[in-house]
Amino acid sequence: QSVLTQPPSVSAAPGQKVTISCSGSSSNIGDNYVSWYQQLPGTAPKLLIYENNKRPSGIPDRFSGSKSGTSATLGITGLQTGDEADYHCGTWDTSLSAGVFGGGTKLTVL
Amino acid sequence: QVQLQESGPGLVKPSETLSLTCTVSASSISDGYYWGWIRQPPGKGLEWIGNIYHNGGTYYNPSLKTRVTISVDTSRNQFSLKVGSVTAADTAVYYCARCRGSSYFDYWGQGSLVTVSS
Repeated sequence: QSVLTQPPSVSAAPGQKVTISCSGSSSNIGDNYVSWYQQLPGTAPKLLIYENNKRPSGIPDRFSGSKSGTSATLGITGLQTGDEADYHCGTWDTSLSAGVFGGGTKLTVL
Repeated sequence: QVQLQESGPGLVKPSETLSLTCTVSASSISDGYYWGWIRQPPGKGLEWIGNIYHNGGTYYNPSLKTRVTISVDTSRNQFSLKVGSVTAADTAVYYCARCRGSSYFDYWGQGSLVTVSS
């Protein structure tokens, strides 16, 4: 059972927009920055969003992040078949003094 | 470009100790970052195992703390993971990664599959 809660799966058509939610508590998302990772099939996770809404160099602006209270959201616009992957949210939990992740969300581009 | 590479046995017997090493290139272990281990059981999500600083300071997942040790070797630019008394539940792909100050991981190794089986 993951500390952060994500939907197991989401889907949308090419060109459309999708959002993926990540729900936590006051000791993790509510108190710390959130990061997002993209994991293509058979590969290691790749940093997509850090500190709630910042994109590393090379990540297109089709990907965006936001945070409100104890929840965070990853948005992807202009969906492409190459975006099909698992997406994971992560943060620090101040009470646990530990890193925590969500269970991951599988994105299908129909 | 920063690179991390995990190495170690791919098969460990139940009750024994799992040992992995992460070799870092194009970034010094002593550069002021934390360095972490994360694992992913087959078909499941990511699980944070722990982080270490270059001076040896550590944070561990409370659920694994009694069985896990992370250490650093600055002379070899490596850090290592040991998980004791393993069971089948420890079967996973193990990743090493560089951790930035606000607890995000910006560079990851390719991952090392460790299977616990007799």
